[in-house]
Amino acid sequence: ILNVEQSPQSLHVQEGDSTNFTCSFPSSNFYALHWYRWETAKSPEALFVMTLNGDEKKKGRISATLNTKEGYSYLYIKGSQPEDSATYLCARADSNYQLIWGAGTKLIIKP
Amino acid sequence: DSGVTQTPKHLITATGQRVTLRCSPRSGDLSVYWYQQSLDQGLQFLIQYYNGEERAKGNILERFSAQQFPDLHSELNLSSLELGDSALYFCASSLTGTSGTYEQYFGPGTRLTVT
Repeated sequence: ILNVEQSPQSLHVQEGDSTNFTCSFPSSNFYALHWYRWETAKSPEALFVMTLNGDEKKKGRISATLNTKEGYSYLYIKGSQPEDSATYLCARADSNYQLIWGAGTKLIIKP
Repeated sequence: DSGVTQTPKHLITATGQRVTLRCSPRSGDLSVYWYQQSLDQGLQFLIQYYNGEERAKGNILERFSAQQFPDLHSELNLSSLELGDSALYFCASSLTGTSGTYEQYFGPGTRLTVT
């Protein structure tokens, strides 16, 4: 994988259901993995920064895991609520410390 | 409120003109990043400054330039504007520019419309 790839591109989830999506990235020269949440008409907001293989981070109903050896991270949302509707972006920092951004997963929660 | 401010909020100008977008980072942050978001596109990294020095360049056109001043605020200058430059321009700041482990804080953006 040469770039940061996110899947799926978009996702419709029923309110109350749990969901997850993926960020895939080059595993070489890995430094850190960022997750951001971007609501419509607002600015991206940082969720997590993870650096170590096996890292797990949690903020309320949202959690993330990191596998640096195989180059992927999962973002989980438990019990989705309408306010979770947003685009979720991941970005990878390499040894040059620059962030390469994925195109995002657009999450739509259906009431 | 992230603590990052951007002015102006909206800007409408004609093709061929030049504009300046301004960004003030969060208090204590030394690094400023500029991003462009065009219609239906993701975030495109333009350029990063750290403590007054250019740190990294992304997909920034030659018609665009930026600088970071001693008080750490930054300006993005866009010249010879074309219709395709219409976009939302975000500024973000982080504590340092020498590590990818610090999260970025985004400003509210400047919406540029070129007519």
